[in-house]
Amino acid sequence: GAGVSQSPSNKVTEKGKDVELRCDPISGHTALYWYRQSLGQGLEFLIYFQGNSAPDKSGLPSDRFSAERTGGSVSTLTIQRTQQEDSAVYLCASSQGGFPADTIYFGEGSWLTVV
Amino acid sequence: KNQVEQSPQSLIILEGKNCTLQCNYTVSPFSNLRWYKQDTGRGPVSLTIMTFSENTKSNGRYTATLDADTKQSSLHITASQLSDSASYICVVSALTGGYNKLIFGAGTRLAVHP
Repeated sequence: GAGVSQSPSNKVTEKGKDVELRCDPISGHTALYWYRQSLGQGLEFLIYFQGNSAPDKSGLPSDRFSAERTGGSVSTLTIQRTQQEDSAVYLCASSQGGFPADTIYFGEGSWLTVV
Repeated sequence: KNQVEQSPQSLIILEGKNCTLQCNYTVSPFSNLRWYKQDTGRGPVSLTIMTFSENTKSNGRYTATLDADTKQSSLHITASQLSDSASYICVVSALTGGYNKLIFGAGTRLAVHP
């Protein structure tokens, strides 16, 4: 696609429910990142995928968070048993090869509200 | 600890004026420094990327500088426009495990008034 696509763009869920957020990176991009941005805060790293390598999951805040990337393309971020503090914008980004000076392109984000 | 600090936190200027945003970082091993523009409710959009050996880079009315010795960067906006109203985020890459681990500043919120 032309850009990084994320869905849903907005999600309101009840506390305790599970949610899935989807990211379609730019076609051909092998590197994919997930970040979280709470209201008025900077972006917080969650997870990084590069090709077929084992992902860097060091940013996932708890075991309620998981992510997978199928076929080296689409990625899904899953939050189980959502809590109110999970309310944030979840941003996905991709880059061509994961090289140091690659431009990293962001999607528009999935706005999650846990009530 | 890897950190990126930006100042000012927020800034209001009049249309047509220039402004400079600051970024100080303590990131190791340093790979590159990026400036992003984030409109309210949108994803960040890349403005510039500078590696260790580059000390200035321009993108239209945006000019970024980098002093790798003092670990400081600035983003200068010339002849501001209303559409420049946004958050400007300084992002420093640490080359860790063979990839860019991005460390984000909290951003400077710029408001351009007519």
